[in-house]
Amino acid sequence: LAKTTQPISMDSYEGQEVNITCSHNNIATNDYITWYQQFPSQGPRFIIQGYKTKVTNEVASLFIPADRKSSTLSLPRVSLSDTAVYYCLVGDGDSNYQLIWGAGTKLIIKP
Amino acid sequence: DSGVTQTPKHLITATGQRVTLRCSPRSGDLSVYWYQQSLDQGLQFLIQYYNGEERAKGNILERFSAQQFPDLHSELNLSSLELGDSALYFCASSASYGLAYNEQFFGPGTRLTVL
Repeated sequence: LAKTTQPISMDSYEGQEVNITCSHNNIATNDYITWYQQFPSQGPRFIIQGYKTKVTNEVASLFIPADRKSSTLSLPRVSLSDTAVYYCLVGDGDSNYQLIWGAGTKLIIKP
Repeated sequence: DSGVTQTPKHLITATGQRVTLRCSPRSGDLSVYWYQQSLDQGLQFLIQYYNGEERAKGNILERFSAQQFPDLHSELNLSSLELGDSALYFCASSASYGLAYNEQFFGPGTRLTVL
């Protein structure tokens, strides 16, 4: 069964760039890597998705190396409102179909 | 507002009881997912339905069951409740069943407290 690993927590300061890496040793060949953001007592919210190389949208960038065994979510110039838990989600290459969520990274942004 | 609705918002019950959580997906979405999130824990994927059929199964206990009805709403049934079942239960919906280009939209959750 595939497993994902994320740092439990990270701290940063307003205006800095934050990079959160998720390791996923056996994702499905055809599956994408997705990142979600969750605020306390709310459901997670989609941030970005990618398959390989680099994807960028209005809020984040996602870097995926050629071997796809990891991915890095990059948040440019964070603000206090970016304080949240960030999850990576990948498919499971071992079984027919599975949703493997990371344990989440609690990001705290300081003024 | 994600467009996904869940009822009830809060539920307090006793050990050994049975409860039903309800979810209405976004208009047009065919997939419904159920998740459990215990206090300060990550998301645990329970089960996914696509257009009425079970599509994927995660760490769902045998005491738990779910179904998706023809109108695409879904219910999660939790029976023989234990203290450890106290958690926030999220429902999510998406247009399709895979992960590619298939963003999940989460509801506000049902907070279950088992006393």
